[in-house]
Amino acid sequence: DAGVTQSPTHLIKTRGQQVTLRCSPKSGHDTVSWYQQALGQGPQFIFQYYEEEERQRGNFPDRFSGHQFPNYSSELNVNALLLGDSALYLCASSLVGQGNEQYFGPGTRLTVT
Amino acid sequence: AQKVTQAQTEISVVEKEDVTLDCVYETRDTTYYLFWYKQPPSGELVFLIRRNSFDEQNEISGRYSWNFQKSTSSFNFTITASQVVDSAVYFCALTLTGTASKLTFGTGTRLQVTL
Repeated sequence: DAGVTQSPTHLIKTRGQQVTLRCSPKSGHDTVSWYQQALGQGPQFIFQYYEEEERQRGNFPDRFSGHQFPNYSSELNVNALLLGDSALYLCASSLVGQGNEQYFGPGTRLTVT
Repeated sequence: AQKVTQAQTEISVVEKEDVTLDCVYETRDTTYYLFWYKQPPSGELVFLIRRNSFDEQNEISGRYSWNFQKSTSSFNFTITASQVVDSAVYFCALTLTGTASKLTFGTGTRLQVTL
């Protein structure tokens, strides 16, 4: 039973560039959530996708956008990167009706220089 | 809005000591879930426990135990006879019940267990 997978593991980008992060949910899960974790902080909710639509969004600017595909996998896109976007980006998957139990992937470490 | 507070930033113990990690939460909703996650140096958040707001029974799983008290809005986590492998950052989190609900995390407690 495959868990949540994310790619790439690490990424280095320059200010102003754009980045795409990818996530495959745990087998059988239909909902994907994205979180940003700055160094020394707890994860902060970015948004959640279900049935290929953004269902809920946290306090993040429009530079952060996402997509969910028919196979439930998801992408997180960040445009016009800022130094402050440097963080660990975590993807979590869950199944509707299962008590909001979210399983996390290993994350993508994004460094913006 | 929901809020989770983990006042202990870092705790250091010697192996075999018992340690309790504190978690206090705020929410106006009456139905919610509480969670504990472990984050080892690798970075992946590992699910430890989920507790429904209707269930105040304490839970024990091996060396781990959880004390949920609605009267004080606390959901504390105790590790008995700590081991070096318990060294990690531990996060308490809250989510409302319902199909579309984000996890609100505390800032985490770093636990260092030494020999």
